[in-house]
Amino acid sequence: GAVVSQHPSRVICKSGTSVKIECRSLDFQATTMFWYRQFPKKSLMLMATSNEGSKATYEQGVEKDKFLINHASLTLSTLTVTSAHPEDSSFYICSANAPVGHNEQFFGPGTRLTVL
Amino acid sequence: AQSVAQPEDQVNVAEGNPLTVKCTYSVSGNPYLFWYVQYPNRGLQFLLKYITGDNLVKGSYGFEAEFNKSQTSFHLKKPSALVSDSALYFCAVRDSTGRRALTFGSGTRLQVQP
Repeated sequence: GAVVSQHPSRVICKSGTSVKIECRSLDFQATTMFWYRQFPKKSLMLMATSNEGSKATYEQGVEKDKFLINHASLTLSTLTVTSAHPEDSSFYICSANAPVGHNEQFFGPGTRLTVL
Repeated sequence: AQSVAQPEDQVNVAEGNPLTVKCTYSVSGNPYLFWYVQYPNRGLQFLLKYITGDNLVKGSYGFEAEFNKSQTSFHLKKPSALVSDSALYFCAVRDSTGRRALTFGSGTRLQVQP
């Protein structure tokens, strides 16, 4: 099946720094990717829809200036958490729409962000 | 708006017994329904989907799910549980005509006891 990778898998940073998370579709092109956030023992909450070559669409309540999304190519979307604070600590998961002929989304392995 | 309900936070079952993880949904139009499984500190793995056709859908690792339109349900089932099935299970929905982001249920932790 289609493979989605995320890098890094785990990151620890100091409060006030920025962290970039990469999401790549390895064997297919993804014009649309999605970024989710998962709190401990909670479900996934959609943060934004990342569209190749255009601006991301953010969900209500998600700060655009804090969570910068760039989808510069058909295989790469990046999420940058700017000026991170401890409350941004979470598990961030990306997904990509499957290639033509499928309907499911394929998920990356997730990135655990811990802000000290 | 679309929504998914997973009424059970946790399901406990003995190894070898059948298991059911419940899911009900609400969506305008025809639903596309999915089950995903998540192991600790990992992303989501696709198990199965219902798009159209037979109401009984078979997926990975021996799991199956039955789409019931009148009850708006899509319960996940397996005839004989394994200890290795212990994980967090998510039901998800999206409509066939709108945006393609998934809406997830709250998740159900399945614990299979040896």
